[in-house]
Amino acid sequence: NAGVTQTPEFQVLKTGQSMTLQCAQDMNHEYMSWYRQDPGMGLRLIHYSVGAGITDQGEVPNGYNVSRSTTEDFPLRLLSAAPSQTSVYFCASGEGGYEQYFGPGTRLTVT
Amino acid sequence: DAKTTQPPSMDCAEGRAANLPCNHSTISGNEYVYWYRQIHSQGPQYIIHGLKNNETNEMASLIITEDRKSSTLILPHATLRDTAVYYCIARSGTYKYIFGTGTRLKVLA
Repeated sequence: NAGVTQTPEFQVLKTGQSMTLQCAQDMNHEYMSWYRQDPGMGLRLIHYSVGAGITDQGEVPNGYNVSRSTTEDFPLRLLSAAPSQTSVYFCASGEGGYEQYFGPGTRLTVT
Repeated sequence: DAKTTQPPSMDCAEGRAANLPCNHSTISGNEYVYWYRQIHSQGPQYIIHGLKNNETNEMASLIITEDRKSSTLILPHATLRDTAVYYCIARSGTYKYIFGTGTRLKVLA
């Protein structure tokens, strides 16, 4: 199993650009989530999904969209990038409300 | 979900037990306590979780007080590889895991 994979590993965007961060898991987990981590801070939940077609907002959802068309994939879309969205983005998946498995992260810089 | 409070940093000598405290005084009866750690800038790694009984696995032990207002994660024989940020999370039946700023544990040689 590859576990949770994220692409790209690094990304630089200009203010106002849009992009999609990809997340995929091969463990057939129903639960998937996106977090952002700013320097020296803990993780903050952006959006999560409890199954295909079901998504909900976390702590900091503004500026981000998600969809879940398959069990495997949970992309995160930045609609119009802002410097405040410079962060490390982690995707995670889990089953049954127990442990979550995290991906390696995407390092995003918005200039 | 209950708010958790952890000390910002701790040191531990290699080979000794590392005891990481967490306060969750507003925890409700159905909220589990989870512990994760993050080594360098990697994705967090699950360690252990519990409701009201003490739990032990191959990585650590979790001691939850009888009133459930606090807990302690114990790494029985800390190694240099255990240097990381440790997060304590209280989570109910929702799927919103709320991470705080955690405890930065430094294991000293």
